Amino acid sequence: KQEVTQIPAALSVPEGENLVLNCSFTDSAIYNLQWFRQDPGKGLTSLLLIQSSQREQTSGRLNASLDKSSGRSTLYIAASQPGDSATYLCAVRSSGGSNYKLTFGKGTLLTVNP
Amino acid sequence: DTGVSQDPRHKITKRGQNVTFRCDPISEHNRLYWYRQTLGQGPEFLTYFQNEAQLEKSRLLSDRFSAERPKGSFSTLEIQRTEQGDSAMYLCASSLALGVMGTQYFGPGTRLLVL
Repeated sequence: KQEVTQIPAALSVPEGENLVLNCSFTDSAIYNLQWFRQDPGKGLTSLLLIQSSQREQTSGRLNASLDKSSGRSTLYIAASQPGDSATYLCAVRSSGGSNYKLTFGKGTLLTVNP
Repeated sequence: DTGVSQDPRHKITKRGQNVTFRCDPISEHNRLYWYRQTLGQGPEFLTYFQNEAQLEKSRLLSDRFSAERPKGSFSTLEIQRTEQGDSAMYLCASSLALGVMGTQYFGPGTRLLVL
């Protein structure tokens, strides 16, 4: 059974800092890994999707890396802004039998202080 | 493309009542998913449709829960005899394809509070 862990559970940084969020998964047989953002009481916004054959994806100030063999992904946020404050969720899509559902971590609650 | 929509956005009900939620996927997406998210947790998979066929139900989905997707378009999730433990955010997602693509796009969710 796939399990996804995110560290840290919460992070508070001053505006302008670069930061790294971590995600680990137990089964390396995956199709892809997605990073989502969730604002309080809201749905999920997809930030980046990394296919299993890729090493990283970039979008603006965000860079996500994937090391499938070690079961790890990181989300790097450059020059953080107060508007980046949200919960960041990592989700993997396994390539096994139930290969359509996403397995999520519990998320990292990010607060960027002005 | 207006994205995935869900209705209602919020629902407060008394224990024992029945509730029904609706999800409208992105047009032309033939896959539709329901997830449930409780406070402080990540979303958990509930069920999955390919067109109108319900292909998997999680063990989280007790017999009080039923989901339908008539004609492979919108979907409904009904909870009968609600319990306080059903309080959660119910998220719907849709996707176009499986394989290495098939990015799931999520709706805004329906937040259920059972008193």
